[in-house]
Amino acid sequence: NAGVMQNPRHLVRRRGQEARLRCSPMKGHSHVYWYRQLPEEGLKFMVYLQKENIIDESGMPKERFSAEFPKEGPSILRIQQVVRGDSAAYFCASSLGQGESNQPQHFGDGTRLSIL
Amino acid sequence: GNSVTQMEGPVTLSEEAFLTINCTYTATGYPSLFWYVQYPGEGLQLLLKATKADDKGSNKGFEATYRKETTSFHLEKGSVQVSDSAVYFCALSEYYKLSFGAGTTVTVRA
Repeated sequence: NAGVMQNPRHLVRRRGQEARLRCSPMKGHSHVYWYRQLPEEGLKFMVYLQKENIIDESGMPKERFSAEFPKEGPSILRIQQVVRGDSAAYFCASSLGQGESNQPQHFGDGTRLSIL
Repeated sequence: GNSVTQMEGPVTLSEEAFLTINCTYTATGYPSLFWYVQYPGEGLQLLLKATKADDKGSNKGFEATYRKETTSFHLEKGSVQVSDSAVYFCALSEYYKLSFGAGTTVTVRA
């Protein structure tokens, strides 16, 4: 009964390095969403992907951030040349449906990214 | 655009007390409304949801009613337990994008 699996749980990077966050959706789910949670704040939408397609990346910073969801394997959120402001918890969610508003999104436990 | 405003915390209660967390929303259409709960070090878990006006979502003793006239979705529980200590997020979705409130930290003391 695996839920949404994210790894690593904790990731420490130095400024200027790259961070790769992975997300395996729930079995049978083909819709993946990434959210970022800054300290003391709610989650903010970043990107919505289906297999091999980016549907909506309106919440992604224009530079250094990218996301993919290949035909095989997990979804990857990639942050290049990290800066201190990238320190946050990054959550992945998946859903079964066609992105309709009444399809619940199931969340992983998140990756907590710390930038030194 | 869509937005969610929820009661600021932290909220500290004694066991068996009544809990209310206020949530109001702004949306252009007819969103679905959710309450999520986050325990320390974990991801968000869906607590309850309502998809249309006057719907009542309920789970684990928690309830919330979708009030279109007041654009509200307040969370209530009649008798809280220590295990209810967590951060609670109100959220809405239109289509696929969830918009969250800032979260309310609830601590229940024995």
